Amino acid sequence: DAGVIQSPRHEVTEMGQEVTLRCKPISGHDYLFWYRQTMMRGLELLIYFNNNVPIDDSGMPEDRFSAKMPNASFSTLKIQPSEPRDSAVYFCASSFGAGPYEQYFGPGTRLTVT
Amino acid sequence: QQPVQSPQAVILREGEDAVINCSSSKALYSVHWYRQKHGEAPVFLMILLKGGEQKGHEKISASFNEKKQQSSLYLTASQLSYSGTYFCGTEANAGGTSYGKLTFGQGTILTVHP
Repeated sequence: DAGVIQSPRHEVTEMGQEVTLRCKPISGHDYLFWYRQTMMRGLELLIYFNNNVPIDDSGMPEDRFSAKMPNASFSTLKIQPSEPRDSAVYFCASSFGAGPYEQYFGPGTRLTVT
Repeated sequence: QQPVQSPQAVILREGEDAVINCSSSKALYSVHWYRQKHGEAPVFLMILLKGGEQKGHEKISASFNEKKQQSSLYLTASQLSYSGTYFCGTEANAGGTSYGKLTFGQGTILTVHP
């Protein structure tokens, strides 16, 4: 089975540009999580969905960040406008059921904002 | 609030043992352990639930002290493949309901030498 798929794997953009990160969860998984990883702040949960509905977006840093899940097999994380401090690795993870179930992480998108 | 991991780094020779600790100031529902190799995604190792239930790989052992809100990961007879950064992710006890909302520690870097 294919794991969690993320695209692009690397993104380099200039400050002020819009960035869209994409994620395809494992088929059948009903929870999807977006994380951000930096050296300074570690691995942070940004938002998560259950059955395509956002459950908790308290980790989204600013209004510049938005996430959608239009269907069970696709989610996007958008940053507009992007800033240099948004540079990080963004991971998408999915799980079948919440809580005591393992989360499967995608390979991540390394975002660099210059 | 982020759980605290100790030690920050460990250096071992093959065959040696190590213990990684994770401590939270919040009442916990579960503790998750993940390992991340450089440039890769975190990979699930184990989940420990309040009440004593555990789910994870057979070769990994861990404990969860519910009273102290502490968990320890035991790595015995270490192999070169154990090298990586180990993260604990904690889920706060929200009235017995679990949603998979994890807060990760800062990580423990484990290096195993031949």
